[in-house]
Amino acid sequence: QQQVKQSPQSLIVQKGGIPIINCAYENTAFDYFPWYQQFPGKGPALLIAIRPDVSEKKEGRFTISFNKSAKQFSLHIMDSQPGDSATYFCAASMDSGGSNYKLTFGKGTLLTVNP
Amino acid sequence: GAGVSQSPRYKVAKRGQDVALRCDPISGHVSLFWYQQALGQGPEFLTYFQNEAQLDKSGLPSDRFFAERPEGSVSTLKIQRTQQEDSAVYLCASRGGRAAGELFFGEGSRLTVL
Repeated sequence: QQQVKQSPQSLIVQKGGIPIINCAYENTAFDYFPWYQQFPGKGPALLIAIRPDVSEKKEGRFTISFNKSAKQFSLHIMDSQPGDSATYFCAASMDSGGSNYKLTFGKGTLLTVNP
Repeated sequence: GAGVSQSPRYKVAKRGQDVALRCDPISGHVSLFWYQQALGQGPEFLTYFQNEAQLDKSGLPSDRFFAERPEGSVSTLKIQRTQQEDSAVYLCASRGGRAAGELFFGEGSRLTVL
C-alpha cells in the first residue's frame, strides 16, 4: 500500500520556469510533510517542510502548498536553475503517541532544468 | 565528521554471502534510521533506533536482515545469505531528538549482489 503518491515521475523545464511536483497522502494522522532533494550518488537532503496548520510555506525559491481537506501538497520551484536538476521526494510522518516519526517517501520526481 | 558517514560506499557480494554495513551518525544524535532505496525509487523504511534501543524493525524485509546499535552511536546493518533482490542503496539517517524534524542522511552504501 503506497501511502504517499507523487507525480509526475519526471519533469523537464527551461531555466526560469516553475516546475510543480504534487503529492497525495492517505493517512490523516500524518502531521509533518517534508520535501527532500537528492543528487546522484548522494543521500537525500531536506529542502523544506510544512505542518498541516498552515496552507503555504516559502523558503527562498521553494514553496510548499498544502491542502489538508484534499490530502495533497505540492512543491513549486520559482525561477528554476540548471543546478536544481535533481530527484525530489515528498514524504510524510506522524506523531503516533511519541513513536519514531519514521518518514514515508513518495517514489520521486526526476527534475531536469535545461539552460 | 560533521555529517552521517557510511561505509563501505560500494559493496559487491556473491549470492549467499553475509555483508555488514556501517553507519556513524552525527555525534549526539539520539535517533537513527536505516532505509533501503531501490534504483529509481524512494527510500523505504527498514528500522529505527532511539539510542541503543531498536524501537521499530517493522520494515526489515526478512529475518536475514539484522541491525544493531549497541552503544547508542555507531550502527551496523547486517544482511545474511544475500540474495539478488537485496541489491539496493542502504541509507542511514540520524536526527537530534525524538520529535519529528530533519533527518540527516548519509551518502549510502550501494550493495550489488551477483
